Amino acid sequence: DIQMTQSPSTLSASVGDRITITCRASQTISSSLAWYQQRPGKAPKLLIYQASNLESGVPSRFSGSGSGTEFTLTISGLQPDDFATYYCQHYNVYPWTFGQGTEVEIK
Amino acid sequence: EVQLVESGGGLVQPGGSLRLSCAASGFTFSSYWMSWVRQAPGKGLEWVANIKYDGSAKYYVDSVKGRFTISRDNAKNSLYLEMDSLRAEDTAVYYCAKERYGVWVYWGQGTLVTVSS
Repeated sequence: DIQMTQSPSTLSASVGDRITITCRASQTISSSLAWYQQRPGKAPKLLIYQASNLESGVPSRFSGSGSGTEFTLTISGLQPDDFATYYCQHYNVYPWTFGQGTEVEIK
Repeated sequence: EVQLVESGGGLVQPGGSLRLSCAASGFTFSSYWMSWVRQAPGKGLEWVANIKYDGSAKYYVDSVKGRFTISRDNAKNSLYLEMDSLRAEDTAVYYCAKERYGVWVYWGQGTLVTVSS
């Protein structure tokens, strides 16, 4: 199985900050990577697919990059709504797996 | 508007069985792959299984192979997850989700399965 490792596990930031979350795959997954945001008690929300494609309706302050084994999610200008947990997920081969999550908390 | 509504969760003893259902509306159900994704309390997300739009292909995570069965009834716009030989580690919120080439845009609200004596 392909292991997905996110860093950091927790990130403390302030409104307006630019933050970056990294996701590393244990083997190459091409660009078959998605990013989700999850707020407590809610279902995940798709932000980015195919590593860098912004999902419709998602604010442009979210961006993704990378290919192969290393990927990043960047939020430029953190907003109060953005304090949540973020997950990467590969869909290159079965089984599809997620990273362990990165909690973005208010500093 | 796409809606996915799960039901069937609850408390079950280890070794027991449970059948989850997901009622879909707002899209042509028979044209889409569908998935079950779970989340143990306070933990991360885990893809469990998916099924092709016509039911002809199914895939599972290793930890549930031989115990869980995914199925669908396109005439009823419904997705199912039959769970047997349940273990404590199967305790989670189970989400039904509509696939789009390997990602999930639409999710249900989730149904909680608790495996405990």
